Amino acid sequence: DAGITQSPRHKVTETGTPVTLRCHQTENHRYMYWYRQDPGHGLRLIHYSYGVKDTDKGEVSDGYSVSRSKTEDFLLTLESATSSQTSVYFCATQPGVAKNIQYFGAGTRLSVL
Amino acid sequence: EDQVTQSPEALRLQEGESSSLNCSYTVSGLRGLFWYRQDPGKGPEFLFTLYSAGEEKEKERLKATLTKKESFLHITAPKPEDSATYLCAVQDSSSSNTGKLIFGQGTTLQVKP
Repeated sequence: DAGITQSPRHKVTETGTPVTLRCHQTENHRYMYWYRQDPGHGLRLIHYSYGVKDTDKGEVSDGYSVSRSKTEDFLLTLESATSSQTSVYFCATQPGVAKNIQYFGAGTRLSVL
Repeated sequence: EDQVTQSPEALRLQEGESSSLNCSYTVSGLRGLFWYRQDPGKGPEFLFTLYSAGEEKEKERLKATLTKKESFLHITAPKPEDSATYLCAVQDSSSSNTGKLIFGQGTTLQVKP
């Protein structure tokens, strides 16, 4: 258990509203990642961070933004939620370059109506 | 483009009936291949990392092997508690500084008593 907490665990929202998901880690891992998991697509990387205030896009970043102001927190924001963003979102952390194992949180189930 | 394909999509076994799951991959340079287990409603849990062809790792009833084109997860005498979705992921050598993983779609294993 890498000490990863995702909040909220479940959320229902309406199309067009902003949504922020939070990932908090207690392991002081350098890297943090946001994935979405959808049937038929597996896990797809949205954004990732390689340090405080250092972030970059993944393969499905459109409509999402992230921020990392502290080592332990990585926020994922949907500026204006759409039904296509209904998914299960997972946060993951990785200690560093040499120790390249990713550890996952329990996930956030988001429904956009 | 990096690609990971897992087969079969679903597998049903009787308790004690051994079998194998396949993960075929295409990467420009493999830095690591990862196996995860995911239970319903939970995040992926790390099982193994393999780094070079010919490498093997074991954990209880699971054994992972790696060739230059694919990896197998062998399950020997499975028990109902082995029922889960098994995910395979690869890390390209060009992603060594970012830790980015490419996931397959997973194989859902059901073991009946």
